[in-house]
Amino acid sequence: SQQGEEDPQALSIQEGENATMNCSYKTSINNLQWYRQNSGRGLVHLILIRSNEREKHSGRLRVTLDTSKKSSSLLITASRAADTASYFCATDFQGAQKLVFGQGTRLTINP
Amino acid sequence: EPEVTQTPSHQVTQMGQEVILRCVPISNHLYFYWYRQILGQKVEFLVSFYNNEISEKSEIFDDQFSVERPDGSNFTLKIRSTKLEDSAMYFCASQRWTSGISTDTQYFGPGTRLTVL
Repeated sequence: SQQGEEDPQALSIQEGENATMNCSYKTSINNLQWYRQNSGRGLVHLILIRSNEREKHSGRLRVTLDTSKKSSSLLITASRAADTASYFCATDFQGAQKLVFGQGTRLTINP
Repeated sequence: EPEVTQTPSHQVTQMGQEVILRCVPISNHLYFYWYRQILGQKVEFLVSFYNNEISEKSEIFDDQFSVERPDGSNFTLKIRSTKLEDSAMYFCASQRWTSGISTDTQYFGPGTRLTVL
């Protein structure tokens, strides 16, 4: 399978804490993208990291990519109740013209 | 900021009926996609479309499915004879595409929730 796999499947933390989600994949990629999905809604693009990049920041988001371990992590700092959502990594594999999504991490921020 | 739009937001149909889901991609994008997400499951790729033809399709995208870009702005997904298992959220996405290497973000529309009864 070429899937990205996230862990944990579910994460519940207190507001203000940091949340870390991990993603692993199996074959070489062009890039890896993280998306957020509020319950029953659309996919909101958060950040794209290319295969030759190791770390990217966007506001309270920090994404790392380790191509040797075929893994990525998404860190949300100083979490807020509005961050409650499902987070998906999606990999863009070399030679393919599609994104392959993982099962997602369901993040709950408790006030 | 430009965005992908989809209509309708919710479609209810009877099994065996044809449905057409519509998408307006971002105007300067060249690659278009359809994905679906069955309730509670992951997002799955259906088909990619470039230069007025299908460039890749998944096993899900069988003869019941077709895509079309009927004019310069719309991109449609047709399901010829819907089945109960076609009930899902269908997402359209578009991508600018740079230099033959996929380094650009895929932007997703808000989705069409299809319910087959």
